[in-house]
Amino acid sequence: IQLTQSPSSLSASVGDRVTITCRASQGISSYLVWYQQKPGKAPKLLIYAASTLQSGVPSRFSGSGSGTDFTLTISSLQPEDFATYFCQQLNSYPLTFGGGTKVEIK
Amino acid sequence: EVQLLESGGGLVQPGGSLTLSCAASGLTFSSFAMSWARQAPGQGLEWVSTISSGGGNTYYADSVKGRFTISRDNSENTVYLQMNSLRAEDTAVYYCAKYTLSPSRYFDLWGRGTLVTVSS
Repeated sequence: IQLTQSPSSLSASVGDRVTITCRASQGISSYLVWYQQKPGKAPKLLIYAASTLQSGVPSRFSGSGSGTDFTLTISSLQPEDFATYFCQQLNSYPLTFGGGTKVEIK
Repeated sequence: EVQLLESGGGLVQPGGSLTLSCAASGLTFSSFAMSWARQAPGQGLEWVSTISSGGGNTYYADSVKGRFTISRDNSENTVYLQMNSLRAEDTAVYYCAKYTLSPSRYFDLWGRGTLVTVSS
């Protein structure tokens, strides 16, 4: 199952609303997760089951979708949110990741 | 503290072998599946392999099938990745991750990673 993330990068300002999409090449139910990764660090789980916020993750992060089309939204971008975001499907093996979206400061 | 700590990375020549280890602490290791993922320099994430909680089921990416072997020792709270016939394209930071399967599926705990460089 291929995951296509878009955009591959974006520039945004603090306070902006940011939306990242992840499209699966076939249906994956709701077995879609989002990770945040900062340079030199391991990925951090943000959202699982497409829309469930991981404990401790700020509520400005939200996820939606099912089947093949999914969205990660940051409602009001904060300085600590500048990072790369990856989606991952865990519906079936081989597990796959999207190509990533780098969120940069405008 | 709940954590995963990888070790065993380093420089290896093409065709060589290396074994990575991932030691878990602060969690009931034998209750969880474990996975390895990797990230080539400046690139995205790639899932490599998964092993079930008891070790009876293993899964591999096509890119490593037949060359890599995942295993675990629940008495030592450690998961391993034996890597043979290494290629330049295997150069990456290798992460181990705890794979929660129920009630949903996700990698909710990652190690810091260990760098494997395949070069002559």
